[in-house]
Amino acid sequence: AQSVSQHNHHVILSEAASLELGCNYSYGGTVNLFWYVQYPGQHLQLLLKYFSGDPLVKGIKGFEAEFIKSKFSFNLRKPSVQWSDTAEYFCAVNAGSSSNTGKLIFGQGTTLQVKP
Amino acid sequence: GAVVSQHPSRVICKSGTSVKIECRSLDFQATTMFWYRQFPKKSLMLMATSNEGSKATYEQGVEKDKFLINHASLTLSTLTVTSAHPEDSSFYICSAPNVAKNIQYFGAGTRLSVL
Repeated sequence: AQSVSQHNHHVILSEAASLELGCNYSYGGTVNLFWYVQYPGQHLQLLLKYFSGDPLVKGIKGFEAEFIKSKFSFNLRKPSVQWSDTAEYFCAVNAGSSSNTGKLIFGQGTTLQVKP
Repeated sequence: GAVVSQHPSRVICKSGTSVKIECRSLDFQATTMFWYRQFPKKSLMLMATSNEGSKATYEQGVEKDKFLINHASLTLSTLTVTSAHPEDSSFYICSAPNVAKNIQYFGAGTRLSVL
């Protein structure tokens, strides 16, 4: 069965600090990988996704993630966070054949708090 | 604006009553929708896949008689929590994939509190 693990449950950073949120998945086949963000009081929004090709993907708002197949990882990064990045971040996977429209398996989520 | 509408956003009910949550795709048709449950400080757990015109597919451990899913049209799926109990209190989120755009959209969620 697929599973997703996010190592950081609560991260507190000052503005301009660099961010890296860990995500590891467990699945033997081809996977599609996603990072979603949930701002306070809002619905989940897609930050970025990886289906195939360049393992370094860039998303919205300056976020990027790197797929390392050998490590089953898809860590999220941002060089310089802003106060507005305060939110809940979720890593998710689905089976490779489902592209972006299949059921998702989510990680536990990471709460990011950015101090001004 | 929102492309998936979920209603209500918050509901408080008495133990033993049933609660219906609606999930609508706006501006696109969705033959499949997904229902998730989110516990405090926990991840979103997939409950079931709602299929238009056929029975929903439930994940292991999810009681289908407890969580009734009806996908009556190409833009509407409903989740009914039957005979709700305090342990059913949670945050329920639906999603609908726009296959043409290869994007999955999420509703804003429904906070259910059972007294």
